[in-house]
Amino acid sequence: NAGVTQTPKFQVLKTGQSMTLQCAQDMNHNSMYWYRQDPGMGLRLIYYSASEGTTDKGEVPNGYNVSRLNKREFSLRLESAAPSQTSVYFCASRNENPLYEQYFGPGTRLTVT
Amino acid sequence: LAKTTQPISMDSYEGQEVNITCSHNNIATNDYITWYQQFPSQGPRFIIQGYKTKVTNEVASLFIPADRKSSTLSLPRVSLSDTAVYYCLVGGLMDSSYKLIFGSGTRLLVRP
Repeated sequence: NAGVTQTPKFQVLKTGQSMTLQCAQDMNHNSMYWYRQDPGMGLRLIYYSASEGTTDKGEVPNGYNVSRLNKREFSLRLESAAPSQTSVYFCASRNENPLYEQYFGPGTRLTVT
Repeated sequence: LAKTTQPISMDSYEGQEVNITCSHNNIATNDYITWYQQFPSQGPRFIIQGYKTKVTNEVASLFIPADRKSSTLSLPRVSLSDTAVYYCLVGGLMDSSYKLIFGSGTRLLVRP
């Protein structure tokens, strides 16, 4: 039981390049989330998926797209990376009980130059 | 979603009890109060959740007064490994998704 896994762990992009961050969970959770965390700050919600086939915007969705490929996988895509997207990206999935227990992955550290 | 206010940082010593208070004046009727812990270079980890009165688990206690406008996370007998950032969150059912909004958290430093 691996929990929530994310790939890659580290990535350096040039401005304008695109990439997809992968996330998978093996806990059979319906809800999945993508957050970003800038240095010294709390996490900000980018997108979430309440169930397979549905996605919705969070606080900071601009510049990102997501795909809920199936119940296990939720990917985050940066179409044209910008230096402002330099951050650590965390994927999470949510347990049904207790209501707000989210399991987080190890994170992807992204640098855009 | 209710905004939360908590101290930016706290210091303590090994073996002491630490209480971190969070203010959430605009909490809604269906909101729960949840606390997470985050170590450097790791994702946050769920600690405890409550709706009212007191909740206790093997790690911490959560005290919520009757008006629910604040809550206090209590960590008994902290150790060096409890040095981390602690987030207080107030979340409710939003579009069937249970969104959680993280603030800046409280940086707890436990000294020997």
